[in-house]
Amino acid sequence: EAQVTQNPRYLITVTGKKLTVTCSQNMNHEYMSWYRQDPGLGLRQIYYSMNVEVTDKGDVPEGYKVSRKEKRNFPLILESPSPNQTSLYFCASSLSGLADSTDTQYFGPGTRLTVL
Amino acid sequence: QKEVEQNSGPLSVPEGAIASLNCTYSDRGSQSFFWYRQYSGKSPELIMFIYSNGDKEDGRFTAQLNKASQYVSLLIRDSQPSDSATYLCAVRNRDRGSTLGRLYFGRGTQLTVWP
Repeated sequence: EAQVTQNPRYLITVTGKKLTVTCSQNMNHEYMSWYRQDPGLGLRQIYYSMNVEVTDKGDVPEGYKVSRKEKRNFPLILESPSPNQTSLYFCASSLSGLADSTDTQYFGPGTRLTVL
Repeated sequence: QKEVEQNSGPLSVPEGAIASLNCTYSDRGSQSFFWYRQYSGKSPELIMFIYSNGDKEDGRFTAQLNKASQYVSLLIRDSQPSDSATYLCAVRNRDRGSTLGRLYFGRGTQLTVWP
């Protein structure tokens, strides 16, 4: 089954304790992206990646890191989480990230993170 | 700044009625347009996409695009209680000086269909 998976689905942690949220897709997609979703603010892009070793900042990258060592995986790293990073996080992927493509973006199930 | 605006709602319609969801966007260079449905606590799922001016129909859903007015809408005919969700409008724009595009999302319109 074609899908985007994320782990963990729920996480409660404390300020400053490094964490990683994993994301994996089995569709051989080039483009992967991380979003956070907060009430009243909608979906905001954190980072995206066009291919292995190619990543770039989205609209709200501060406090986050990413890596793309393999095509299928795109982990999101919070080196020193803070309470303002409490949010619902979605990983997404699409076949290409080209502007004139007809590709659709598929979302993972989400990770609800609480930072105390 | 590339903005996508939606009426936040909530929009409430009776079962069987037509629900009309609207979206405007600021970037005239926008390439393609998407409607996602998101149930509470779940991930967005694609309902429809549209690239050309005019209407596109898929079952009970019709997307309408007017690039001159920078306006895209979603009509849901014969609304059902199961259509109750938040509907997200997304616009793909070309990054300046790049071949890449990014999706920009509106904040969503909450729809309630009551029996």
